[in-house]
Amino acid sequence: AQSVTQLGSHVSVSEGALVLLRCNYSSSVPPYLFWYVQYPNQGLQLLLKYTTGATLVKGINGFEAEFKKSETSFHLTKPSAHMSDAAEYFCAVSALGGSEKLVFGKGTKLTVNP
Amino acid sequence: DVKVTQSSRYLVKRTGEKVFLECVQDMDHENMFWYRQDPGLGLRLIYFSYDVKMKEKGDIPEGYSVSREKKERFSLILESASTNQTSMYLCASSFRTGTEAFFGQGTRLTVV
Repeated sequence: AQSVTQLGSHVSVSEGALVLLRCNYSSSVPPYLFWYVQYPNQGLQLLLKYTTGATLVKGINGFEAEFKKSETSFHLTKPSAHMSDAAEYFCAVSALGGSEKLVFGKGTKLTVNP
Repeated sequence: DVKVTQSSRYLVKRTGEKVFLECVQDMDHENMFWYRQDPGLGLRLIYFSYDVKMKEKGDIPEGYSVSREKKERFSLILESASTNQTSMYLCASSFRTGTEAFFGQGTRLTVV
């Protein structure tokens, strides 16, 4: 079965600073990994995903994430935070061959200070 | 664009009522999901369906059941609503495992 741990339920950064949101996963088979974003009073939107191939994946709005199998991690980064990045971010995992459920972490709320 | 439509944005029900939450997707997706979202707990999977009439329990299935009689529609049923089922319910669909899941806008259910 898959599981996801997001370290830090709240992260606060200054505008222009690096954003780093941490995600570690557990999966008995090769995982598919996702980051979703939820703006206030809105549904979830895909930021980026890793399935196979290149381990550094780029997403929308300048975000990227790197799949590190040895560390079972898929951390989300953005070089320079913008006020509009304030939202809640969710890491998720699914896998073929195991249970094909899509399982989410508890989320990290990002605050961007002016 | 893929559209996942949940029948209600807000719903208020009484304790003990049988509650139906409906979800329809228009892109012929194989997989459909029901989650509940609570502050500090993230999205918790209630049930998952990978084909018509096929379902699999998620992490918190107790007190819920589901129905998928047609590919495009996935219903969540609260057999006897209780106050601890007050929550935001999110439906999602995906073409297959490993592809993007698309979410509905959610149904905020209050059980009084």
